[in-house]
Amino acid sequence: KNEVEQSPQNLTAQEGEFITINCSYSVGISALHWLQQHPGGGIVSLFMLSSGKKKHGRLIATINIQEKHSSLHITASHPRDSAVYICAVKKLVFGQGTRLTINP
Amino acid sequence: KAGVTQTPRYLIKTRGQQVTLSCSPISGHRSVSWYQQTPGQGLQFLFEYFSETQRNKGNFPGRFSGRQFSNSRSEMNVSTLELGDSALYLCASSLGTSGDFDTYNEQFFGPGTRLTVL
Repeated sequence: KNEVEQSPQNLTAQEGEFITINCSYSVGISALHWLQQHPGGGIVSLFMLSSGKKKHGRLIATINIQEKHSSLHITASHPRDSAVYICAVKKLVFGQGTRLTINP
Repeated sequence: KAGVTQTPRYLIKTRGQQVTLSCSPISGHRSVSWYQQTPGQGLQFLFEYFSETQRNKGNFPGRFSGRQFSNSRSEMNVSTLELGDSALYLCASSLGTSGDFDTYNEQFFGPGTRLTVL
């Protein structure tokens, strides 16, 4: 069993829908990072979390340290949100990624 | 402020050859980490350098090596290339003293070098 599990692995939705991507981990952590990778390869850091909830624009990330679970939400999804979303908890430990496609 | 740059962006090599990839971190960043990304394995950590010293190493064979210079620029080298080494190689720099995602230091990624081994 992987130390980090993301679900779903693939998600296709219509523009405007509310999106949720989940990340569950089995290791003890001090922080969790959400990364976004667009086609072409570039990766950007979206959030760093150690507790509670963070919001940047239409993106919201939450973490429950006790339950070892984090979620990434996208409100009013847009085709430009189409990307792979990866959660990372330690240097060696990454989720396998969630490929999100938003259709206009 | 310039971002993380990687050269070359694309590379085609044949089996048995060696390759050197370069990464220039954001000015002021002293931590540089390297990652390999393949469709099958996803993102995997290769190694991390801080102040010219390798601090952490992932589970890769000795054919994969790296170094960091005094200006924080880093290179990674892969010798005796195999077909399975075809991948996107990403580097990331961090302002903090650790490139570990278990800390509150944001990682800034370069665009990657796409290596194809024929």
